Amino acid sequence: DAKTTQPNSMESNEEEPVHLPCNHSTISGTDYIHWYRQLPSQGPEYVIHGLTSNVNNRMASLAIAEDRKSSTLILHRATLRDAAVYYCILGIQGAQKLVFGQGTRLTINP
Amino acid sequence: NAGVTQTPKFRVLKTGQSMTLLCAQDMNHEYMYWYRQDPGMGLRLIHYSVGEGTTAKGEVPDGYNVSRLKKQNFLLGLESAAPSQTSVYFCASSNAVLANWVHEQYFGPGTRLTVT
Repeated sequence: DAKTTQPNSMESNEEEPVHLPCNHSTISGTDYIHWYRQLPSQGPEYVIHGLTSNVNNRMASLAIAEDRKSSTLILHRATLRDAAVYYCILGIQGAQKLVFGQGTRLTINP
Repeated sequence: NAGVTQTPKFRVLKTGQSMTLLCAQDMNHEYMYWYRQDPGMGLRLIHYSVGEGTTAKGEVPDGYNVSRLKKQNFLLGLESAAPSQTSVYFCASSNAVLANWVHEQYFGPGTRLTVT
């Protein structure tokens, strides 16, 4: 399975932007990059996905490197509610499942 | 829409007892999944289903059985519970096959299971 590498933890301040990195050097041309997050005591929730181009939605932005070997999830203005574990996961073309790693635990300071 | 629901929310079992966890989704999704999450760890896939009447093993299937008799329901069974199965269990559903393999999974609230 293609793997991703994320920092174990990151810390940021409320109302500041947050950039969460993910390395996926073995990504294949048809693999989608997915981001999920898990708030405390809740199930994971889908955040965003992308293939080649940068993507924006109401929750976040996804910046994908030109060689697709890394990506960055951007929270434009962090709130305390954004404190969560963020998972970067590759969706393999034709695969029927996702493999969740350890993720990055994001702490937001007031 | 209720999305994905799980019953029960909490359960305490004694070693050797059996139980069934129920997952239901009202989004007409083809794919359903059962994960477990141990304290401080990521999610691990137990079993999954790509359609009514089908099931497949995930990363950690031992000690569990599943059934998908109806498209909207996915049951996870523990035949003889062990303390190592103490965990939080999450169910999820998606329509990856119809979405060009974009895996937008919807998760339930989880079932906290303790085996003593």
